[in-house]
Formats: sequence, structure tokens, C-alpha cells
Amino acid sequence: DTEVTQTPKHLVMGMTNKKSLKCEQHMGHRAMYWYKQKAKKPPELMFVYSYEKLSINESVPSRFSPECPNSSLLNLHLHALQPEDSALYLCASSQEAGGSPLHFGNGTRLTVT
Amino acid sequence: AQSVTQPDIHITVSEGASLELRCNYSYGATPYLFWYVQSPGQGLQLLLKYFSGDTLVQGIKGFEAEFKRSQSSFNLRKPSVHWSDAAEYFCAVGGSGGYQKVTFGIGTKLQVIP
Repeated sequence: DTEVTQTPKHLVMGMTNKKSLKCEQHMGHRAMYWYKQKAKKPPELMFVYSYEKLSINESVPSRFSPECPNSSLLNLHLHALQPEDSALYLCASSQEAGGSPLHFGNGTRLTVT
Repeated sequence: AQSVTQPDIHITVSEGASLELRCNYSYGATPYLFWYVQSPGQGLQLLLKYFSGDTLVQGIKGFEAEFKRSQSSFNLRKPSVHWSDAAEYFCAVGGSGGYQKVTFGIGTKLQVIP
């Protein structure tokens, strides 16, 4: 069982749709992350939130909009995506301490049609 | 800049055989090193991590890894592989900052044959 919960597990959306991915953790972690993973590739960091503030944006296109409403929740709002954005989107969390390992959710499999 | 090299993209071993997955890293200071495993359609699960102390670290599922500073390596080993170990294995390096900007290797896909 994973301690980071992501919903939905699968999402199919058209290029004009607006949708959101959700992530929740109750481990008291104050750092939360969004990663994108294409097939047969390692995860690529998109965003990092630290104490609910956006700390890292890895030059992600504005059609991806993250939000951290509180210390347990992390959202990724999607709008006007392209087919090449189809991927596995992984949420992770960690303690705010050096060397703290990432705890990953099982991801949302996104398909853009 | 930090980086991780996993030279083996795909490895096939027989069930019951021993396993070693290679990882080389580049990092300016003393790194935090991690091994994660990913089963198909799943997220990544931490197997073990190293920062300091004993250079041989034990992890979950019977895995261990040895840190060799002189070789900049952090190889993962298991004495006897089980069919359920078939998965993708990622070596990763991180720093001492509060939140982790972790760099992952490209991954090694492990196939286990009966």
C-alpha cells in the first residue's frame, strides 16, 4: 500500500479539456513534488513545493498549473494539453531534511487525444 | 552538476541466480544515493539509501548496495533473485538541501527467467 494517494489512476482528455490531477499524503511531509515519466524513461521533475510554496518550476509549460492548497494536498491543473503530454504523472513527498527519500504515489496515467 | 549513469539498460538473470546492477554517480560533495524499484504501472519504491557510515547498506526485499567513493559507484546486489524482482531499477543521487532535487539514472530493466 502506498502512503501517497493519487487520483484518478487513469485519465483520457481532449486537447481542449480542463482537468486536474490530485495527490494526498498524511505523513506530515512538507515537501511535495510532481514528476512526469514517459515510457522507458526515468521520472523528470516538474515542480517542487516546500511548505506550500512553489520552490522549483523546471521550465514547465503554462498549460500545467500546480497548486498546493495545504500541507497534505497537491493538485496539477491541466489545460490545452498536447498529445505529447501523454505520460505517467507521479506525485511524491518527502520530509524537509537533507537526504530524505521520496515517497511516490502510483501515478496517474494520462492520455491526451 | 550531479548525474547518474546506469550502464546496463536491460539485464536478464535466471531465478535463483545472483544479481548486480551497476550505478556510477557524479556529485560535487558527499552525495545521498538511492535505489528505487518500479513495477509496471506503479510508482517508485525506495529500496535503500546511503549517505554516510557503513559503505554496505541493507535494504528491503533482500537487496544491498555498496558505496565505493574511489570508483564513484553504488552498485545494487541480491544473492538470489526471485521472479517477483522483475522490474525497473533506478539509481538516484540527491543533495543535502531541505527538499530533494533528485537526479535519476536512466534505469535498468531486470528480466527474470525460470
